Amino acid sequence: GDSVTQMEGPVTLSEEAFLTINCTYTATGYPSLFWYVQYPGEGLQLLLKATKADDKGSNKGFEATYRKETTSFHLEKGSVQVSDSAVYFCALSDIGRAGGADGLTFGKGTHLIIQP
Amino acid sequence: GAVVSQHPSWVICKSGTSVKIECRSLDFQATTMFWYRQFPKQSLMLMATSNEGSKATYEQGVEKDKFLINHASLTLSTLTVTSAHPEDSSFYICSARDREGYGYTFGSGTRLTVV
Repeated sequence: GDSVTQMEGPVTLSEEAFLTINCTYTATGYPSLFWYVQYPGEGLQLLLKATKADDKGSNKGFEATYRKETTSFHLEKGSVQVSDSAVYFCALSDIGRAGGADGLTFGKGTHLIIQP
Repeated sequence: GAVVSQHPSWVICKSGTSVKIECRSLDFQATTMFWYRQFPKQSLMLMATSNEGSKATYEQGVEKDKFLINHASLTLSTLTVTSAHPEDSSFYICSARDREGYGYTFGSGTRLTVV
């Protein structure tokens, strides 16, 4: 079945540091890939997405490139801020899988802590 | 953009009672909605897929008689936790596929505490 593996945290960085959160996946069909962010006590917000190989999703300084050859979708940001502290989830949607509409398969989440 | 409203945001109920959680798509029609459960400091687990006008599809291990899902219209899905017990305490989140069909918009979640 489908699965998403992401680095487990917590990841603690200083403000303005470079961020990478690794994410790899396995899928039977042709997945779309997502990064979601969750702030304490809240639901999930879509951060960025990519729907096909070599697509780059970007938003709020975050970027991730859909790498089919390495089945990866690593999240990066050049200079993090304290306000980026949250839990980040990598996820996939395998729409091409037989059976029609499916929900998302999530990684376990990475807790990011940015210190001033 | 697409907005999904989930209500209530938190609820405390007594053991043995039932609780209903609503999920509404405010500015688009959602033929399919999804219900997730999140345990503390863990990932989201898909519970069921809610289809407008038909029965929900439950994931393996989810009790359909305990977690009743109704998708009566294109903009509303409800999750009812029946005869709730303390082990049902969790964070429940709904989502709907967006207009383009490739993204998912999430509600803000419901914190259920059963005492």
